[in-house]
Amino acid sequence: QSVLTQPPSVSGAPGQRVTISCTGSSSNVGAGYDVHWYQQLPGTAPKLLIYRNTNRPSGVPDRFSGSKSGTSASLAITGLQAEDEAEYYCQSYDSSLSGSVVFGGGTRLTVL
Amino acid sequence: QVQLQESGPGLVKPSQTLSLTCTVSGGSTSSGGYYWSWIRQLPGKGLEWIGYIYYSGSTYYNPSLKSLVTISLATSKNQFSLILSSMTAADTAVYYCARGKVQGNYFDYWGQGTLVTVSS
Repeated sequence: QSVLTQPPSVSGAPGQRVTISCTGSSSNVGAGYDVHWYQQLPGTAPKLLIYRNTNRPSGVPDRFSGSKSGTSASLAITGLQAEDEAEYYCQSYDSSLSGSVVFGGGTRLTVL
Repeated sequence: QVQLQESGPGLVKPSQTLSLTCTVSGGSTSSGGYYWSWIRQLPGKGLEWIGYIYYSGSTYYNPSLKSLVTISLATSKNQFSLILSSMTAADTAVYYCARGKVQGNYFDYWGQGTLVTVSS
């Protein structure tokens, strides 16, 4: 079980909007630590998608956005495209047990 | 553009020690502001942070792996390394090196990953 909880899968039709949740606790997201998101296409390394809750690295389309509130964060993807089909991971820091970088279990996005 | 490349054996015998090296180009391991990191992904599973090292040599490890892990830095070669001891089949994974930003604690550049299989 991952420290950060994500739904195993989400799906949407092209052009639709989907959201992926990332639920933590008072020792990580709820403690004010930033949440970051990564996209992993099949057979490739993860790629930074959103950093520090809401920021997009250069080159990431503005169809991707992030938000954070309380002990949860969300990734939203609008105008869904076939190439968005991938695994998405959230990541934060946890202050319990001597401190550790923690990842969510990942969410598989299927574009119908 | 920062690039990272992992190198090391693809096959390790049970109980042996794994040694991987990450070579960095387009950036310096001796500059502040970054953590030089190792992350692994078990087959069909999610990501697990192993640990990272700062340019000063300070290390930070996943508490669940701390007793088995050593990360070191070779700034003259612009490389950093991972040593993971007492390998078992459960350590079979793709091992990634990555650059972590100190401010924010996220990973902005990743290597392509190297598959390490533990088998006799």
